[in-house]
Amino acid sequence: GENVEQHPSTLSVQEGDSAVIKCTYSDSASNYFPWYKQELGKGPQLIIDIRSNVGEKKDQRIAVTLNKTAKHFSLHITETQPEDSAVYFCAASLTGNNDMRFGAGTRLTVKP
Amino acid sequence: DTGVSQNPRHKITKRGQNVTFRCDPISEHNRLYWYRQTLGQGPEFLTYFQNEAQLEKSRLLSDRFSAERPKGSFSTLEIQRTEQGDSAMYLCASSQGPGRTDTQYFGPGTRLTVL
Repeated sequence: GENVEQHPSTLSVQEGDSAVIKCTYSDSASNYFPWYKQELGKGPQLIIDIRSNVGEKKDQRIAVTLNKTAKHFSLHITETQPEDSAVYFCAASLTGNNDMRFGAGTRLTVKP
Repeated sequence: DTGVSQNPRHKITKRGQNVTFRCDPISEHNRLYWYRQTLGQGPEFLTYFQNEAQLEKSRLLSDRFSAERPKGSFSTLEIQRTEQGDSAMYLCASSQGPGRTDTQYFGPGTRLTVL
């Protein structure tokens, strides 16, 4: 089955700096890669996703890149703000397969 | 608010008691998922429904766990004879279903504490 590894487990940046979180997956058949943000006491909130037919996707300060050959994908947050502080999870699945596997999470802290 | 809702948000129970959680998915979402999340980990898949049919169950779902979605709308997750190891956040998610986007939207979760 799919195995997703996520790095780093914690990340601290200064407000305004960029943050990068990386994930690798094991199943080359996986073709859907969402990223979720989870704040304390809340459920995961989808922030961006990418499918395997594209290599990059952007949404304002957030971007995700996918390298299918290397089986890794990354989340990039630019111009970080204190409200970006949260735990971020990557996930991987095969469209139509409902067993979506999550990484262990990255706790991002943005210092004002 | 038309997002996924879950009740209760918190549940404290004694070992050996039964508990039931409810999930209301986004309206017209055909698929409903249950996940378990323990501290410092990502969500782990438990089971999912396509309308009222339970189509897949994880090995994590022991026989003490049962889930239903009788009318293809809300779902319940029951844990019988709770154990301390059942303490976790139980998350529900929904998606539109086959042939449409499979993006999963999560509810706020039910935090279970078993004493």
